Amino acid sequence: SAVISQKPSRDICQRGTSLTIQCQVDSQVTMMFWYRQQPGQSLTLIATANQGSEATYESGFVIDKFPISRPNLTFSTLTVSNMSPEDSSIYLCSGRQGVDEKLFFGSGTQLSVL
Amino acid sequence: AQRVTQPEKLLSVFKGAPVELKCNYSYSGSPELFWYVQYSRQRLQLLLRHISRESIKGFTADLNKGETSFHLKKPFAQEEDSAMYYCALATGGTSYGKLTFGQGTILTVHP
Repeated sequence: SAVISQKPSRDICQRGTSLTIQCQVDSQVTMMFWYRQQPGQSLTLIATANQGSEATYESGFVIDKFPISRPNLTFSTLTVSNMSPEDSSIYLCSGRQGVDEKLFFGSGTQLSVL
Repeated sequence: AQRVTQPEKLLSVFKGAPVELKCNYSYSGSPELFWYVQYSRQRLQLLLRHISRESIKGFTADLNKGETSFHLKKPFAQEEDSAMYYCALATGGTSYGKLTFGQGTILTVHP
């Protein structure tokens, strides 16, 4: 099973700043995704991180706010830009791997914006 | 658009009792359904998926297309089953991995 290392695990940030979250997988995955879990709510897909090209964003999410990179098959970053308190959430990356295409998750980044 | 509903936010049972976590979905295509579990201070992990028809840790789930349900069941709950459980729906094909999650159910199994 693939292991996804995600960092930072938590951060407290000031309004107007940006934070970049990193995910490193210990083996190649076919696809990587970024999810958000706002307080008291379920997980919502932000975007699919495409290797070597622009990410594919879900409705309600835009590249200017959540730029994503995926330079290779094992690494991706999500930046939360110009943060506001409404961005306070848990951010999770996930990867798809294997013949049975199982989906694995990172441990999450707990972000608090003051 | 697809939707997953888990009507119970909290579910409490005693050890040894049967447990059923409810999940209903709406999707116009052919659904692929999953149950994910998150134990305390651990990451989200796959519990089971309907296409594999396997039983994990004594849990089973049957896809009922007529009732659009995918309820998770275990005949005898254990204390270590206490966790957050999420039902999730994938649209399948190349979109697999794009999951729509339910709100989650916190299961507490009392000794």
